[in-house]
Amino acid sequence: SYVLTQPPSVSEAPGQTARITCGGNNIGGKSVHWYQQMPGQAPVLVVFDDTNRLSGIPERFSGSNSGNTATLTISRVEAGDEADYYCQVWDSSRDHVVFGGGTKLTVL
Amino acid sequence: QVQLVESGGGLVKPGASLRLSCAASGFTFSDYYMSWIRQAPGKGLEWVSYIRSSGSPKYYADSVKGRFTISRENAKNSLSLQMNSLSAEDTAVYYCARRRLGGYHAFDLWGQGTMVTVSS
Repeated sequence: SYVLTQPPSVSEAPGQTARITCGGNNIGGKSVHWYQQMPGQAPVLVVFDDTNRLSGIPERFSGSNSGNTATLTISRVEAGDEADYYCQVWDSSRDHVVFGGGTKLTVL
Repeated sequence: QVQLVESGGGLVKPGASLRLSCAASGFTFSDYYMSWIRQAPGKGLEWVSYIRSSGSPKYYADSVKGRFTISRENAKNSLSLQMNSLSAEDTAVYYCARRRLGGYHAFDLWGQGTMVTVSS
């Protein structure tokens, strides 16, 4: 089965740029989606199809995808960005949805 | 108001059954593929099942195949998950989620979740 690998945690100071990676075999050939989950809340889609922001999501959030790594980039990180972030793809070989293990973003 | 509201969670014993429901409102439910996604306490997201807008086909994660059944009633804007032979490993918050129209299975609307606890 297809596996997505995320670092368990990422830390960054306010105002800096946080990058959260999502690794998978030839993930560049798939469409990657990213979710933000605040404590005690449901996930929220922030980036879909590699690079597209959902309406209402700040421009500080951007995505890229190439080779074996997709990346969610959060520019000018704020305290309010502290959350768990999950990547997700569609595994067409099995008709399954696959999530990465999640990354906890800490704003120092 | 565009929303999904889950219900039906609770505390059950191992081996028991439970049926979850998800009520959709504010959008044309019959246009959308729908999924169930769960999250065990302190753990990450795990996809459980999805169903196409017409009601078939249906797909399941290996961990629930043969035990869980997803269904929908478009006339009632309702999605369900029948869960049988529950075990402690099924303890989780269960979310229903709407697949975004077009694209590749991104979930653009989630419910608030319903907690299922399997314990003796």
